[in-house]
Amino acid sequence: NAGVTQTPKFRVLKTGQSMTLLCAQDMNHEYMYWYRQDPGMGLRLIHYSVGEGTTAKGEVPDGYNVSRLKKQNFLLGLESAAPSQTSVYFCASSRTATGTGAGEQFFGPGTRLTVL
Amino acid sequence: GNSVTQMEGPVTLSEEAFLTINCTYTATGYPSLFWYVQYPGEGLQLLLKATKADDKGSNKGFEATYRKETTSFHLEKGSVQVSDSAVYFCALREGANSKLTFGKGITLSVRP
Repeated sequence: NAGVTQTPKFRVLKTGQSMTLLCAQDMNHEYMYWYRQDPGMGLRLIHYSVGEGTTAKGEVPDGYNVSRLKKQNFLLGLESAAPSQTSVYFCASSRTATGTGAGEQFFGPGTRLTVL
Repeated sequence: GNSVTQMEGPVTLSEEAFLTINCTYTATGYPSLFWYVQYPGEGLQLLLKATKADDKGSNKGFEATYRKETTSFHLEKGSVQVSDSAVYFCALREGANSKLTFGKGITLSVRP
């Protein structure tokens, strides 16, 4: 099993450009999440999904959009990148919200994005 | 709302030293508590967890006890190794919600 994979690993954008980050998981997990990690801020949830075809806003959703067309994929889009979106982005997935294993999220290796 | 507060870092220790990383939380109900670890250049991975008061989670020599009376979940290890150098995050999950609330994380560096 590859677990959670993210594409790309690194990216540099200019202000106003758009891009899509791809997250894929091969564990048949229902739940998927996008976080951003910034120095001194910990992890902040951007958007999440509780199943195929569903998405919901997290703590810091502005400037981002997501889609979950297939259960194994969760896409994060930046329509018009801004320097404030320079960050490391992590995708995660989890199997269940209740019972044994609840709360265990499996993380991808991250995407380092720089917006100039 | 829910929140997690971790002690300020970074923390630098010598190999074989005793480690304590403090974590306190605020929640309206009875959360499950977690410690995640992030090794350099990697994503986070679950280190240990506890789902109810007085439970002790343990893994890789690390331990943490769920203290409801002090709303704390401090991480301890009796003898740290260089390979324990990483960023440690405390987190909570409340009820049937799948979302986690993370603390800001603390960087641990262990010197040989």
